[in-house]
Amino acid sequence: DIQMTQSPSSLSASVGDRVTITCRASQSISRYLNWYQQKPGKAPKLLIYAASSLQSGVPSRFSGSGSGTDFTLTISSLQPEDFASYYCQQTYGTRTFGQGTKVEIK
Amino acid sequence: EVQLVESGGGLVQPGGSLRLSCTVSGFTFSSHSMNWVRQAPGKGLEWLSYVSSDSSTILYADSVKGRFTISRDNAKNSLYLQMNSLRAEDTAVYYCARDILYYYDSSGYPLFDYWGQGTQVTVSS
Repeated sequence: DIQMTQSPSSLSASVGDRVTITCRASQSISRYLNWYQQKPGKAPKLLIYAASSLQSGVPSRFSGSGSGTDFTLTISSLQPEDFASYYCQQTYGTRTFGQGTKVEIK
Repeated sequence: EVQLVESGGGLVQPGGSLRLSCTVSGFTFSSHSMNWVRQAPGKGLEWLSYVSSDSSTILYADSVKGRFTISRDNAKNSLYLQMNSLRAEDTAVYYCARDILYYYDSSGYPLFDYWGQGTQVTVSS
């Protein structure tokens, strides 16, 4: 099975900061990589699909990049509503998630 | 409006069984693949199982293979997860999620675009 490793597992940042989260696959997954945001007590929400395509309705401060084994989610200017957990997901084999990154207020 | 509503969760003893349901509306259920995902308390998301629109392809995570069974009834717009031999570590919120393909450059890229609100399963004596 393909394993997904996210880093960091948590981070503290301030409003307006640029935030970068990375995700590494245990084997090449081309661009079969999605990013989700989850707030406490809520279902996950799709942000980015196919590594770099922005889901409809998602603010343009979110962007994704990468292919093969290394991927990045970037929030260009962190907003108060962005404090949440973020998960990458590979869909090359099955549908495995990374372990998540919690973005907290500094 | 697309809606996915899970039900069937509750408290069950170790070794017991439970059947979860996910009833959908607002889209043509029979045309879409579906998934089950769970989240243990304070933990991350864990993908469990996938079923294609016509049930011809079924996939499981190793952690539940042989204990959990995914199925669907397209006439009833419903997805199911039969969970047997439950363990304390199966305690989690269970979500169903719609699986669609984004087509780009001759390839289809799966993604989960709609999720239910989740149902709590607690395995405890």
